[in-house]
Amino acid sequence: AQSVTQLGSHVSVSEGALVLLRCNYSSSVPPYLFWYVQYPNQGLQLLLKYTTGATLVKGINGFEAEFKKSETSFHLTKPSAHMSDAAEYFCALGDSGGYQKVTFGTGTKLQVIP
Amino acid sequence: DTAVSQTPKYLVTQMGNDKSIKCEQNLGHDTMYWYKQDSKKFLKIMFSYNNKELIINETVPNRFSPKSPDKAHLNLHINSLELGDSAVYFCASSQESRRGDTQYFGPGTRLTVL
Repeated sequence: AQSVTQLGSHVSVSEGALVLLRCNYSSSVPPYLFWYVQYPNQGLQLLLKYTTGATLVKGINGFEAEFKKSETSFHLTKPSAHMSDAAEYFCALGDSGGYQKVTFGTGTKLQVIP
Repeated sequence: DTAVSQTPKYLVTQMGNDKSIKCEQNLGHDTMYWYKQDSKKFLKIMFSYNNKELIINETVPNRFSPKSPDKAHLNLHINSLELGDSAVYFCASSQESRRGDTQYFGPGTRLTVL
């Protein structure tokens, strides 16, 4: 069975500090992995995704994530947090079946402290 | 122009009523989805349509009935509303239904059942 686990439902960082949001997955096939962001009272927006190829993926707003097969991880990072980064972040795993069914993690709420 | 739009944004209703939520996308995508996000922010897929054909139908009570009149529209009708139906419902679309396709989300409809 496929699953995705996000460690830490809440993460607090100071403005300017490193952001690290953790995601681990379990998949019987090579995974397709996504990070989405949800700002308050809005829908989800794609930050970045990994399908094949380069394992370090760069996304919007200065975020990046590295796919590590040996660790079954896809952690999201940003070198310097900005107040506008405060949001809920979701890691997601593409289903191994033929259709685009995505399993979402439980989300991590990022708080940025001024 | 809004890519994926939903109406209404808020819906407050009594138990036992029937209600509909409408979704439209102007991205020219072939595939559309309905998700339910509960009070703990857990996001779960309910249905997916590809070119008006139902391709994903998760374990959802049959009180929920999706309808896709054309590939730009996907509506959700809910009969005999229950307290547990209170949630935020998101519509999304993707270019196709291939694994790895980015999904674009609408702003959500917050349904409150009293």
